[in-house]
Amino acid sequence: DTGVSQNPRHKITKRGQNVTFRCDPISEHNRLYWYRQTLGQGPEFLTYFQNEAQLEKSRLLSDRFSAERPKGSFSTLEIQRTEQGDSAMYLCASSPRGIGQGMGNKNIQYFGAGTRLSVL
Amino acid sequence: DAKTTQPPSMDCAEGRAANLPCNHSTISGNEYVYWYRQIHSQGPQYIIHGLKNNETNEMASLIITEDRKSSTLILPHATLRDTAVYYCIVRVHTGANSKLTFGKGITLSVRP
Repeated sequence: DTGVSQNPRHKITKRGQNVTFRCDPISEHNRLYWYRQTLGQGPEFLTYFQNEAQLEKSRLLSDRFSAERPKGSFSTLEIQRTEQGDSAMYLCASSPRGIGQGMGNKNIQYFGAGTRLSVL
Repeated sequence: DAKTTQPPSMDCAEGRAANLPCNHSTISGNEYVYWYRQIHSQGPQYIIHGLKNNETNEMASLIITEDRKSSTLILPHATLRDTAVYYCIVRVHTGANSKLTFGKGITLSVRP
C-alpha cells in the first residue's frame, strides 16, 4: 500500500489557463475528499465522493471547478480559467468504508502530499 | 460540527512532554475529538481520536475532560520531528459524509 498519491506535486500556470490535478487513493478506499489550503490556514473542504458518486460540494467549489471520480478509483480536479486567487495547496484524502458505530470504526482520512498551484 | 479553540503556538524542549490544549465547549454527545498534524510541505496525518475515555497509541495520548468540553494531546517525549501544526477537530464519527473541518491549529515548535 503506497498511500494516497497526488500528481503533479507542483503546477505553475498563467491566469486564464485550465489545470487538472489527479489523486490516486489508497486501494479499496471508497471515500475520497478534496481540500484546499492557503498559506497560514487549515485545509478547507471542497468536495466528497463515495465510490463514483459526488455526494457533497462546498460553496467554495465555484462553477470553474469540477471534480470527477470515474469508476470509483482515481479522481481528477479541474480548474478552468484559473485566477490568482486559486493559488493554493490542493489536498486529496481517502478513507475506507466505516463499519459499525464504535471506536473500532476509525473513519480516518489519509492525505496525500498535495498539489501546490501557483497562478501567475 | 462543533468549533474548537486552540492557542496559536507553543514550544517545548526536545525529550520533554508536549501538552497541547483544545477547547470544544459546544461538543455534542455524538461527536468525537480527533487530532491531526501537518508537518511542513506534507498533508495532514491522523494522530488519535476519542469520545470520552482517555486514549493512547504509539504516537500520543489523548486526555478528555469529564464534561468533554476540552481535551489535551500529549506527546510524551517530543522530538524535533514533532515540529508541526496540530489540529484539534470534533466531528460526528460516522455518516455518509465525514468531512474534516480544520481551524488554524496550534504550531508546536520543538527546540533542541
